[in-house]
Amino acid sequence: GAGVSQSPSNKVTEKGKDVELRCDPISGHTALYWYRQSLGQGLEFLIYFQGNSAPDKSGLPSDRFSAERTGGSVSTLTIQRTQQEDSAVYLCASSLVLAGGSDTQYFGPGTRLTVL
Amino acid sequence: AQRVTQPEKLLSVFKGAPVELKCNYSYSGSPELFWYVQYSRQRLQLLLRHISRESIKGFTADLNKGETSFHLKKPFAQEEDSAMYYCALRGQSGYSTLTFGKGTMLLVSP
Repeated sequence: GAGVSQSPSNKVTEKGKDVELRCDPISGHTALYWYRQSLGQGLEFLIYFQGNSAPDKSGLPSDRFSAERTGGSVSTLTIQRTQQEDSAVYLCASSLVLAGGSDTQYFGPGTRLTVL
Repeated sequence: AQRVTQPEKLLSVFKGAPVELKCNYSYSGSPELFWYVQYSRQRLQLLLRHISRESIKGFTADLNKGETSFHLKKPFAQEEDSAMYYCALRGQSGYSTLTFGKGTMLLVSP
């Protein structure tokens, strides 16, 4: 079946503008994650949604970052008043979390954000 | 706090040479350890996980709790192994978020 998809694949914006990044997880996956991949910094956890539970926002770097997950499926990551340091590849992953069991995270292709 | 350290940013070897990508972790409990790989222009994907004790594409990794390490090894590197490799840890039971290292770029030359 289809894997995790993300859109757009590339986004170039001007400093100070708002951007929205979209993630479509694998159908039926209850967990959804956002990570940021920066050169030399590896993958940085941003936010995690699991079912109907309150999201874990502990990785969001500032209050300019927010995310929603509507209907337990599609998620949107919003960055307000973008700064040049926000330039990175934003990765989305989803997994089927089983009670007491391990789960594999499946990653999307990412959105490359460039803030000029 | 949990942390994953990959000390090498770049590892360059010749085809047929042994490879060891180092990974050390910091976590007080019993973690789950993973290796993820990202080939050029492809998405990040799971390579192997320690609980499976499997060999994927000739790679193996053993969790050493005494040394808090989870090094990735392959006896004979192939050119197609060239990629970015990330070690990752999942700590708290039932908590799915992964903590990643900064990654090691493996370059295998002919």
